[in-house]
Formats: sequence, C-alpha cells, structure tokens
Amino acid sequence: AQSVTQLDSHVSVSEGTPVLLRCNYSSSYSPSLFWYVQHPNKGLQLLLKYTSAATLVKGINGFEAEFKKSETSFHLTKPSAHMSDAAEYFCVVSEVTSGTYKYIFGTGTRLKVLA
Amino acid sequence: DAGVIQSPRHEVTEMGQEVTLRCKPISGHNSLFWYRQTMMRGLELLIYFNNNVPIDDSGMPEDRFSAKMPNASFSTLKIQPSEPRDSAVYFCASGGGTTPAVYGYTFGSGTRLTVV
Repeated sequence: AQSVTQLDSHVSVSEGTPVLLRCNYSSSYSPSLFWYVQHPNKGLQLLLKYTSAATLVKGINGFEAEFKKSETSFHLTKPSAHMSDAAEYFCVVSEVTSGTYKYIFGTGTRLKVLA
Repeated sequence: DAGVIQSPRHEVTEMGQEVTLRCKPISGHNSLFWYRQTMMRGLELLIYFNNNVPIDDSGMPEDRFSAKMPNASFSTLKIQPSEPRDSAVYFCASGGGTTPAVYGYTFGSGTRLTVV
C-alpha cells in the first residue's frame, strides 16, 4: 500500500528566505503525487502535481517540487517566503485499490513565516 | 465555475441530534469524496462515490454515519445520532475524468461541526 511521510510537523522561516517542506513516499509503482495547501479556516487548494511527466514540477505562487525516485522524495520548495505562505501543507499520494483511486494524505506541515 | 459548494459552513448541535451535511460537486465531475479533518487524526477519507455509486465506505466510522448521492449534483453526509467526538471539519471534494486521482481533486471550504 502507498503511504506518505511528512518529515516536519512545523517549519518556521523568515520572510524572504527559502522554504523547504519535506515529503517521502512509499509506493510499489510509479505514483501520482500532489501538494495541497490549506490556509486557516479554508479548504484545500492544489499547489502542484506530479504525474510521471517532468520530474521538476512548478506550481502556483512560486512553489515547485522535485520528484526523486531514488530517494522516494517529493520535497516542496520556494525560493523566497512571503507572509501569505503561512498555512498548512499536505503531501498526497494517490492509491489504486480494486480499480478505484483515492488519496493518501500526509499528516501535514504547518509553515510559519516570520516578519 | 463556483467550485465545490458545501453547506452549512458551521453547524452547532446537541448530542443525540441528527446532522446533515450537504455538498454540490463541480458540474461534470464524476467522483465525489467525503473527508473528515481533526487535530488528532488529520484528514480521513470517509466515503467515495463514482458516478453516484458508493465505491468505498470503509472509512465511515460507525453505523451512525451514512452518505447518499441521489444524483450527480448533490450528496449528503448524515450523522444520527451525533456525539461530541464527531466534532470536526468535514470536507467534500470532487474530481473529473477517468482518473481524478491523477489530475487532482477540488475541495470545498468545509463544514465545521461542533457537537455539544
């Protein structure tokens, strides 16, 4: 079965410095991987997705993620943090069970951006 | 496109009462998911529909929970009777095409349920 591990429950960065949110996955085949963001009291918004095309995936708001099969990682990065990036971020792998698809969510990483 | 619409946004109810949460998926999407989010358990998939048919309800916690999708544009999640431990944010998500999990789902803004 697929699984996903977010290595940090909380990350704090200063505004203008780089962001790195780490995610490792476990999958028996080439997975589909996603990052979602959830701002306080809001729903989840898709940031970016990897679906076996280019290994470096660019998303919205300047975020990108690199799929590294050898490391089973899909870390999320951004060169320069903005105050509005403060939110919770979820790494997600899709799983196929009995011919149907569903998401497996990581436990989330809460990003704090310091002024 | 109004996105996935959930109602109500907030619900406060007394223990033992029936609660019904509603979801309108994006038009044309053929997959619909109900999730529950709590601090303790994170995001849990409760049930999944494809073409209005329940495919996987293994995440539904107990018989007190039931979900229906009478047509492609409407789904309900009902809790009867409700208990304080059901307090959570409940999200509905929809996806289109034959492989929605490959191309991403769209989530609603959620219903925050408080059972007192």
